[in-house]
Amino acid sequence: DTEVTQTPKHLVMGMTNKKSLKCEQHMGHRAMYWYKQKAKKPPELMFVYSYEKLSINESVPSRFSPECPNSSLLNLHLHALQPEDSALYLCASSSTSGALGDEQFFGPGTRLTVL
Amino acid sequence: QKEVEQDPGPLSVPEGAIVSLNCTYSNSAFQYFMWYRQYSRKGPELLMYTYSSGNKEDGRFTAQVDKSSKYISLFIRDSQPSDSATYLCAMSAGGGNQFYFGTGTSLTVIP
Repeated sequence: DTEVTQTPKHLVMGMTNKKSLKCEQHMGHRAMYWYKQKAKKPPELMFVYSYEKLSINESVPSRFSPECPNSSLLNLHLHALQPEDSALYLCASSSTSGALGDEQFFGPGTRLTVL
Repeated sequence: QKEVEQDPGPLSVPEGAIVSLNCTYSNSAFQYFMWYRQYSRKGPELLMYTYSSGNKEDGRFTAQVDKSSKYISLFIRDSQPSDSATYLCAMSAGGGNQFYFGTGTSLTVIP
């Protein structure tokens, strides 16, 4: 099984809402990632978890809060977002402990719209 | 200078054509090279993964890495309309170092 699943597929939220994005993988991977992708741009790395610990935070605003409850799950908690945060949010995983050279498998993404 | 350069296209070819997609890079430490295919509004799908220099073939797809020229290519033979997507190159030095994406090339295969 080389699948990374993400829920929800689409999310519309207001600037005062609190919501969460969820990601799950059952490949036994120990590194998981959150990326943000704007239209016609490559994915931008936000966070990396290695063995359930946050290892990289690419200076992401605090209105984005990641959480890794266990080795298979990754959440991204959203609060007080801005319209410019509207994007496709991608989760990925790889087998090694945050060694970013290893192949990453992506989920289908959550398309977020902030009104 | 960007770490990875990729021509954004768009590239439009007739069905059955051979497609060549390319990326150049500046960091000689890069050892891991990947090609992803991304359909509109979907997540990237890993197509090819290559370590160091050389060629790798998988069906209609061939990945080439020339580390001396800092140049990687993806060839698609007998292109199909279902190959229409954005193709992203990605690379890394490994060992916990940053993973760099190209900007993506938009490909349309016309029936």
